Amino acid sequence: KAGVTQTPRYLIKTRGQQVTLSCSPISGHRSVSWYQQTPGQGLQFLFEYFSETQRNKGNFPGRFSGRQFSNSRSEMNVSTLELGDSALYLCASSSVAGAGYNEQFFGPGTRLTVL
Amino acid sequence: AQTVTQSQPEMSVQEAETVTLSCTYDTSESDYYLFWYKQPPSRQMILVIRQEAYKQQNATENRFSVNFQKAAKSFSLKISDSQLGDAAMYFCAYFGMDSNYQLIWGAGTKLIIKP
Repeated sequence: KAGVTQTPRYLIKTRGQQVTLSCSPISGHRSVSWYQQTPGQGLQFLFEYFSETQRNKGNFPGRFSGRQFSNSRSEMNVSTLELGDSALYLCASSSVAGAGYNEQFFGPGTRLTVL
Repeated sequence: AQTVTQSQPEMSVQEAETVTLSCTYDTSESDYYLFWYKQPPSRQMILVIRQEAYKQQNATENRFSVNFQKAAKSFSLKISDSQLGDAAMYFCAYFGMDSNYQLIWGAGTKLIIKP
């Protein structure tokens, strides 16, 4: 089985722009979770989608949004980028909803740099 | 849990020896899940071991085992016969009702393997 893929792997944007990141889960997985990883804040949960519905959301401003398509692929959007949004964005997929109930499989991440 | 604490930012161990990484957490729940994830320099996060709190028996996966002390809220990871491929960041994570069913991550421990 192919693993979790994320595109693009690297992205450079300027403040005020918006960005869309994509995640393709392992085939058959219906749960996709997104995490932000920064040196200062560590790993933080953004949101989880299951069967096209947002199941859970972390403590991030409304500029961070996501969606999931019928094929379970997920996109994450950040609008009005700020310097502090520079981070590694990780996507993880699972066969069941709820990050704790089963193993999550992570993608390689998208490194976003905001200038 | 509101916090997961990994008190060792960095640990080093000689190849073939044993090392223990510590993790403590804060919760008043009796049912929850604990995880150790490994993030090698390539950045892809991998599940090392998973523990369900209601199971008294400590989880093991080959050379990896945990010492789960529920009353002390401690969840340490023991790596036996350390190998060069074990070099990575290790993250402890908690999942439960009091974390709004989101993974709460520790800050991580960087493990260095000396040949």
